[in-house]
Amino acid sequence: DTAVSQTPKYLVTQMGNDKSIKCEQNLGHDTMYWYKQDSKKFLKIMFSYNNKELIINETVPNRFSPKSPDKAHLNLHINSLELGDSAVYFCASSHYRTGNEQFFGPGTRLTVL
Amino acid sequence: LAKTTQPISMDSYEGQEVNITCSHNNIATNDYITWYQQFPSQGPRFIIQGYKTKVTNEVASLFIPADRKSSTLSLPRVSLSDTAVYYCLVGDGYGGSQGNLIFGKGTKLSVKP
Repeated sequence: DTAVSQTPKYLVTQMGNDKSIKCEQNLGHDTMYWYKQDSKKFLKIMFSYNNKELIINETVPNRFSPKSPDKAHLNLHINSLELGDSAVYFCASSHYRTGNEQFFGPGTRLTVL
Repeated sequence: LAKTTQPISMDSYEGQEVNITCSHNNIATNDYITWYQQFPSQGPRFIIQGYKTKVTNEVASLFIPADRKSSTLSLPRVSLSDTAVYYCLVGDGYGGSQGNLIFGKGTKLSVKP
């Protein structure tokens, strides 16, 4: 049983397109996150979300938006994709009170052509 | 926000003990120290967390001096499969707080036969 799953694993698309990455966790966690890891391997938080608040890293363009249909899912929507969006995107989850112990998904490698 | 500083890379041989030190001079009273491991093409994996003195689990030990301005992750008798990037983080442990979601550059550990 996969704890945190993401789909798709690979995503190749053209500039200007709109795409979504799905994330699901079956750990019963109440907080979920999205991270971006660029080609230099820097891992940066994009969003953290629970049923109380959405925290957005101020450096994230508003073309990126998280959507949570329920506590087990946090999907990432990206509009008007740009070349610089190419990266690996990781979803993670945790309990709110143990936010340091996060469980990560396998990642989605996004390539924008 | 407490920042962390780690060596960029370390080399070791199989069977040796590896110690990776992290500096966090601005650590706050409420902050915990957490270490993650990341293999290529995978999401980070939680290894260990501590607040002060020493913490040990089946994977590693974490040593934290009284002033808490640094910490040392100790991996006993490493094997080739321990080759990975190790990240040190500090934060208050609550999900959704940006204070606990800053991954540094990490330390790339290479274990040789």
